[in-house]
Parts: sequence; structure tokens; C-alpha cells
Amino acid sequence: DAGVIQSPRHEVTEMGQEVTLRCKPISGHDYLFWYRQTMMRGLELLIYFNNNVPIDDSGMPEDRFSAKMPNASFSTLKIQPSEPRDSAVYFCASSLSLSGLTNTGELFFGEGSRLTVL
Amino acid sequence: AQSVTQLDSHVSVSEGTPVLLRCNYSSSYSPSLFWYVQHPNKGLQLLLKYTSAATLVKGINGFEAEFKKSETSFHLTKPSAHMSDAAEYFCVVSEYRSNTGKLIFGQGTTLQVKP
Repeated sequence: DAGVIQSPRHEVTEMGQEVTLRCKPISGHDYLFWYRQTMMRGLELLIYFNNNVPIDDSGMPEDRFSAKMPNASFSTLKIQPSEPRDSAVYFCASSLSLSGLTNTGELFFGEGSRLTVL
Repeated sequence: AQSVTQLDSHVSVSEGTPVLLRCNYSSSYSPSLFWYVQHPNKGLQLLLKYTSAATLVKGINGFEAEFKKSETSFHLTKPSAHMSDAAEYFCVVSEYRSNTGKLIFGQGTTLQVKP
């Protein structure tokens, strides 16, 4: 199994530019999560999807952030326009449905996309 | 509402000595509890999980944790620290029976292992 795949691993951009982060979840997983990690705030849940449908986006900081999941194998997190305070590591994670008797809510994380906005 | 508190932001031990990372939780339902580890510049990896089976849970790399409902604790231990254990550790609670699909992460504990 290839695991959760994120791209790019590193992104350096200038303030005002659009940033798009990409994620391919583990095949068969029907939950997908986007997290942001900073020294100041730790790990924050931004948004999560179930069967490609956004379930809870209350963690999305503001309208500059948007996320989509057009199909079961791909999701994007977009920041437009980007600001220096958006600099962070963004993680994507996936998991199996919570309705299964054997499922325990375990998340499988990608290696993250480190974003630096100058 | 569920929450998790890691009682130490930083723990320092010498190689070969025991490790104790403390975690307390609050949950309205029977929780699932996890410990994840994050090595520098890496994603998070599951160490172990508790899901209402045995209260003493064994994980990878010699780590284990004990679920104590009366104390609402889920402390992580290891008998003998290794240099490779130096990392960030997160205690996590999931109310999977409420089907919310969300995990709540603690603030993390940085484990330093001195030679």
C-alpha cells in the first residue's frame, strides 16, 4: 500500500499568490482530513470529508481557504490569496468508515506539505 | 464534548531509562484513545490504540499504555528509552461511536533522549 500521498512536499511562495496542495488518500478509505500544524497552535483540523462530501469545515480559518474532493482518490486544499501567517505544515489523512465494527477511527497521515509564504 | 490534555510539553530522559508521557482525557462516550508519534519532518504514525478491549495496550517499538477509566488517563510508557525514540508524541481521543469522524489531538509532548 502506498499510503497517503501529498504534494508538493515543500512550497515557497510570495504573499498574494495562490497555493494548491494535493492529496491522494489510501484506496478504499472514505474519510479524508486536512490538518494544519504550527508551533504556536499545534495540530488543527481544518476540514474533513466523508464519501467526498465535506462534513465539517468549521476549522477553515477564513474564506481564503477552500477544499475540494472531486472523487474518492483526490483532494485539494487551496489558499487564495496566501499570507505569511499561512506558513505551516499541512497534513492530509484518511481513514475507514466509522460504521464498521472493526474500525477504530485510526488515521493514516501523509508526510505533509511544508508551506512558506514570504 | 471530548478533550485531551497532555500534562508535559517536554520530557527529557537518559538512554536506557524508563519513559512516561502523561495524558488525561474527557469524553462523553466510550472513547477510543491513541498515541501517535511524529519524527522530525515526518507525518504522524500510530504507536498504539485502545478500543474498549484490554486496558493495557501494547504498541510498536516497545511502547505500551494503560487505559484507566477511574482516572481518565491513558499514559504512555516504555521500560527503556532509545535514542531513536526522540520525537513528538500526541495523545488522541476519538468518539467513534458518536460517528463524528473527528479525532481530538493533544498539544503534544516532545521527548528528548540524552546519551
